Amino acid sequence: DAKTTQPPSMDCAEGRAANLPCNHSTISGNEYVYWYRQIHSQGPQYIIHGLKNNETNEMASLIITEDRKSSTLILPHATLRDTAVYYCIVRPDRYGNKLVFGAGTILRVKS
Amino acid sequence: GAVVSQHPSRVICKSGTSVKIECRSLDFQATTMFWYRQFPKQSLMLMATSNEGSKATYEQGVEKDKFLINHASLTLSTLTVTSAHPEDSSFYICSATDSYGYTFGSGTRLTVV
Repeated sequence: DAKTTQPPSMDCAEGRAANLPCNHSTISGNEYVYWYRQIHSQGPQYIIHGLKNNETNEMASLIITEDRKSSTLILPHATLRDTAVYYCIVRPDRYGNKLVFGAGTILRVKS
Repeated sequence: GAVVSQHPSRVICKSGTSVKIECRSLDFQATTMFWYRQFPKQSLMLMATSNEGSKATYEQGVEKDKFLINHASLTLSTLTVTSAHPEDSSFYICSATDSYGYTFGSGTRLTVV
């Protein structure tokens, strides 16, 4: 699976949009971009995933560049409860295969 | 949505004893389950992959005789930490997958004293 690079930490003001970048320059054509987050001392939570088109759900939006070498997760109106570690993972969309986590980005939402 | 129940949430055990952690998929049948370990301020590290009715596949460096995994049904996997020592103290997380994706348990905080 392709490797990803994320900034170690970011801060965001409450109520503002949080934009979390992810670099995946070695992504191959059949690999999806997944985002999960982990709030302190809990299991990871699925946020969103996409292949090449931008995606939006009730939690977030995912913007993937045209060359698919990078993506941005957008939390449109961050709240204090969004403080968590956010993981960007690239992998084929074949469920049953292992999900490998990188270091992720610590997002701190501040009031 | 899919729910994975993990028990216990916290356990303290004495050095040398064994501890069993259960992972159940409550509303779906999990074809595959995964076990992770997470040390403080670190990311999740995959320990093993288990499929119902077959032996688990362990990641490199994980002692299969120490971390026993049983996946007896499509809704239950167990991780037993045998002869636990203080260095086994960690946060253990399971994940279950079906055709819709991956769902994680809430984790088990193991402290070995």
